[in-house]
Amino acid sequence: QSALTQPRSVSGSPGQSVTISCTGTGSDVGGYYYVSWYQHLPGKAPKLMIYDVSKRPSGVPDRFSGSKSDNTASLTISGLQVEDEGDYYCCSYAGFYTYWVFGGGTKLTVL
Amino acid sequence: VQLVESGGGLVQPGGSLTLSCVASGFDFSTYWMHWVRQAPGKGPVWVSRIKSDGSGTMFADSVKGRFSISRDNARDTMYLQMNSLRVEDTAVYYCVRDSREFSFDYWGQGTVVNVSS
Repeated sequence: QSALTQPRSVSGSPGQSVTISCTGTGSDVGGYYYVSWYQHLPGKAPKLMIYDVSKRPSGVPDRFSGSKSDNTASLTISGLQVEDEGDYYCCSYAGFYTYWVFGGGTKLTVL
Repeated sequence: VQLVESGGGLVQPGGSLTLSCVASGFDFSTYWMHWVRQAPGKGPVWVSRIKSDGSGTMFADSVKGRFSISRDNARDTMYLQMNSLRVEDTAVYYCVRDSREFSFDYWGQGTVVNVSS
């Protein structure tokens, strides 16, 4: 069982928006502003999509956005595209003894 | 940026294995590096970190005392020495670059470790 809780799956149609939640505790998500999100497409290496809760690395479309409220972080993908289909994982820094924790992953299906 | 892992395979419980990660496309000697693993059907799990000069290693509790991490900056290569392997160590092991922003900005394709009798 992963430290952070994500829904197993979400789905949406092309052009729609979806939000993936990531729930932790005050020792990880709630305690630091260091939540990141990763996209893992079949046959590819995982890719950083969001860091520091809401920042996008260069090259990541602004259709991807992140936010956090208390112990829950969220990834929103607007204007869904077929190529967005894959697995998404959240991650949070959790302090000196635990370091980094991940979510169990959410499978995004674009119908 | 490219990270290429190797060294995975099938090993019996109690056995040892050394993973390698060859980096290219960036100044390897200036970046902290990590190993992250992912068991079949599960989320990723952070395993270990090493600072840019090879000091300041850290390990997840689940591997502490059994795994060691090292690097050779002259060869742009990082290693993960895994001893006393257990069935629960079975996973894809990823070499990952530290983004310097408490996240991981580049991942390799992973190498599969299967611990089974």
